[in-house]
Amino acid sequence: DADVTQTPRNRITKTGKRIMLECSQTKGHDRMYWYRQDPGLGLRLIYYSFDVKDINKGEISDGYSVSRQAQAKFSLSLESAIPNQTALYFCATSDFGENTGELFFGEGSRLTVL
Amino acid sequence: EDKVVQSPLSLVVHEGDTVTLNCSYEVTNFRSLLWYKQEKKAPTFLFMLTSSGIEKKSGRLSSILDKKELFSILNITATQTGDSAIYLCAVGRRGGTSYGKLTFGQGTILTVHP
Repeated sequence: DADVTQTPRNRITKTGKRIMLECSQTKGHDRMYWYRQDPGLGLRLIYYSFDVKDINKGEISDGYSVSRQAQAKFSLSLESAIPNQTALYFCATSDFGENTGELFFGEGSRLTVL
Repeated sequence: EDKVVQSPLSLVVHEGDTVTLNCSYEVTNFRSLLWYKQEKKAPTFLFMLTSSGIEKKSGRLSSILDKKELFSILNITATQTGDSAIYLCAVGRRGGTSYGKLTFGQGTILTVHP
C-alpha cells in the first residue's frame, strides 16, 4: 500500500459543484501539503499544515479550503469549482529534519472541471 | 518572491546520449535545492543539494550546485528509455516554518528514443 493515498484519483465535475479531495498517510509525518500541477508551471503550493491545529495558506489558496481531520488526514475542498481549477493535485508529507528535505507525494488526483 | 527556472523545457534524445538539465534560482535564505523525477505518477526524490561544488551521484545520474552563480545541473549519462520523465527542480528556504514549502521550476520533459 502507498504511504500517501489520495482519493479520488480521477474526477470530472461541472462548474459550480463542490469537490473534496482526500489524503491520508501512514508515514507518521506531522507536516502535510497540497500542491497543484499545471503543464508548464511546475507545482504550486495551495495549503499546508504543520500539525492538526495548524493550517496555512500557500501561494495559490484562493478558491480552495482545507481541513486537517487528524494527523494522518488532510483534505482539500473546492467550494464552487471553476474550469481553471482543472489540474493535477498532489498531497505530500514531510518530516521535520534538516538533513532530509524530502517531500513524499501521493499518486495525484486529476480533476477536470467542465 | 522565490523563483526557479529550468531549461530546456523539453528535450528529445536517443538512447546512449548524455543530457544536462539546468536549474537556476532566486530565493531568500536558501537552504537546499532538490531534484525530483516524475513519470506518470508522483514525483520521486533524486537528490538534495545544500553545499556548492559537491557532486551527488546515483548510478548514471549526478548533480551539482553552484551557490555563487545560483544554479544546479542534473546530468544523465548513457540515457535509457526508462529515463523518459519530467525532471523537477525545487528550492527550499531556511527556517522551520519554511520546511517543505518548496518552490518548483516548470520542469524539463525528457524523452529518450530507442
